[in-house]
Amino acid sequence: GQNIDQPTEMTATEGAIVQINCTYQTSGFNGLFWYQQHAGEAPTFLSYNVLDGLEEKGRFSSFLSRSKGYSYLLLKELQMKDSASYLCAVTDSNYQLIWGAGTKLIIKP
Amino acid sequence: GAVVSQHPSWVICKSGTSVKIECRSLDFQATTMFWYRQFPKQSLMLMATSNEGSKATYEQGVEKDKFLINHASLTLSTLTVTSAHPEDSSFYICSVPTGNTEAFFGQGTRLTVV
Repeated sequence: GQNIDQPTEMTATEGAIVQINCTYQTSGFNGLFWYQQHAGEAPTFLSYNVLDGLEEKGRFSSFLSRSKGYSYLLLKELQMKDSASYLCAVTDSNYQLIWGAGTKLIIKP
Repeated sequence: GAVVSQHPSWVICKSGTSVKIECRSLDFQATTMFWYRQFPKQSLMLMATSNEGSKATYEQGVEKDKFLINHASLTLSTLTVTSAHPEDSSFYICSVPTGNTEAFFGQGTRLTVV
C-alpha cells in the first residue's frame, strides 16, 4: 500500500529552528510537496522536490532523499504565525497526490 | 500560478437538503479539478477527480449519487452534496492541478449539516 508518515505534533520556540520529517512508501515517485495549512483554511504551497538535495526558499528549506524515501521541511527563525499544520504529499507513478496526515506545529513565545 | 475561487466559504443547511459548492479556475483552463474532504484533525481525502466534459472519477467508498460533480466548462466545477446528513459536515476543498509541479487550492467550504 501507499503510506506517508510524519509526526502528529511538534512544539518549538519562537526564533528557533525546527525540522519536520516525512517518510514515504508509494507506487512510484514523481515529486514531493510540502504545504502549510492554518486551521480552517485551505493548504498553501511551500515547496516541491523531485531531485535529491536541499531546496532553500527564505526561512523554509526542504530536503529530499529518494533512495531513503525521506524528506524534511526545515523552518528557521520561527515566528508565531508559523503555527500551523504542515502536510507532506507525494505524487505517485500515476501523478496522483498521496497525502500525509500533517504535522501540527505549535510555536511558543 | 492559477487562481482558484471556491464558493461559498461556509454553509449551514438542514438535514435532507442539498448543497452546491462551486470551484472556479479564474486564470487557468482546468480540464481536471480535484475535490477533497477534510475532517477535523485529519488529512485531505481525495473524493473525486472532476473531468471537463465527461463523468467524474470517484474514489473508492465515495457515493457518486450522493456527491454529484459537474464540470461543464474549463473554468467551473461544482460539487453537490445531496440529501445532506450531519455526518457529511466537513471541510470541502477543490484544487486545480497545473501539470506535475503544483496544485492550487480553493479557499475551502465549511459545511455544517444540522
